[in-house]
Amino acid sequence: DSGVTQTPKHLITATGQRVTLRCSPRSGDLSVYWYQQSLDQGLQFLIQYYNGEERAKGNILERFSAQQFPDLHSELNLSSLELGDSALYFCASSAPTVSSGNTIYFGEGSWLTVV
Amino acid sequence: QKEVEQDPGPLSVPEGAIVSLNCTYSNSAFQYFMWYRQYSRKGPELLMYTYSSGNKEDGRFTAQVDKSSKYISLFIRDSQPSDSATYLCAMSMKTGANNLFFGTGTRLTVIP
Repeated sequence: DSGVTQTPKHLITATGQRVTLRCSPRSGDLSVYWYQQSLDQGLQFLIQYYNGEERAKGNILERFSAQQFPDLHSELNLSSLELGDSALYFCASSAPTVSSGNTIYFGEGSWLTVV
Repeated sequence: QKEVEQDPGPLSVPEGAIVSLNCTYSNSAFQYFMWYRQYSRKGPELLMYTYSSGNKEDGRFTAQVDKSSKYISLFIRDSQPSDSATYLCAMSMKTGANNLFFGTGTRLTVIP
C-alpha cells in the first residue's frame, strides 16, 4: 500500500458527461500528480500541484482540469467525455525533501470507461 | 523518436531464471533513474531509484545505469512467479517529478 488513496476505483459513464476523480496523497506529501494510462499511450503526465498551486502541466486536455485543496487532497475533473478518454487515471504524490529525489508513489488508479 | 525507449516484450522466463530488462534514452541531461513494477490494473510500485551512473542492489534486484551509453538495466535474480508484472523505467533531469519520463513498460511472465 503506497498510502495514496484514489476514489472511485471504477467508473462507467456516457459520452458528453462530466466526472470527478479524487485523490488523497500520502501523509506529509505536498506534491500531487495526475497521470493517464491507456493501452496505446503508456503513462502520460497530466498535471502537478504543489501545496495547492499548479506546478507543471503535461499533456492535459482543455476539457480536463484539476485542483488541490488546503487539506492537500486533489480532484481531477474530466468533462465532455469522449470514448478516447477511457483509461486508468493515476494520482501520485511525493515527499518535499531533496533527498527523496524524484521518487513518486502511485495510488491504485481510477478506471474510467466512457460508453 | 521517444525520449525513453523500452522493449515492450512480452518476456517469458522459467522460474529461477535471471531476467534482464532494459531502457535506452536520448537525453543526456537525465540524472535520476527509477524502475517501477506494475501488476495488472494496479498502480506502479517503486522498485529501485538511482542517481547518475553506477549499480544499486536490493535483494534479488539490481539496477544499473550507464550514462555514457544512455542505457539502464534492471536485473532480477532467481525470478519468481510473483515477479510477473509490467516493469516501467522512468527518468528525469532534475528533482521535481513533473518532468518524469516513462518507458512504455516490459511485460514479464515467470513460468513456474
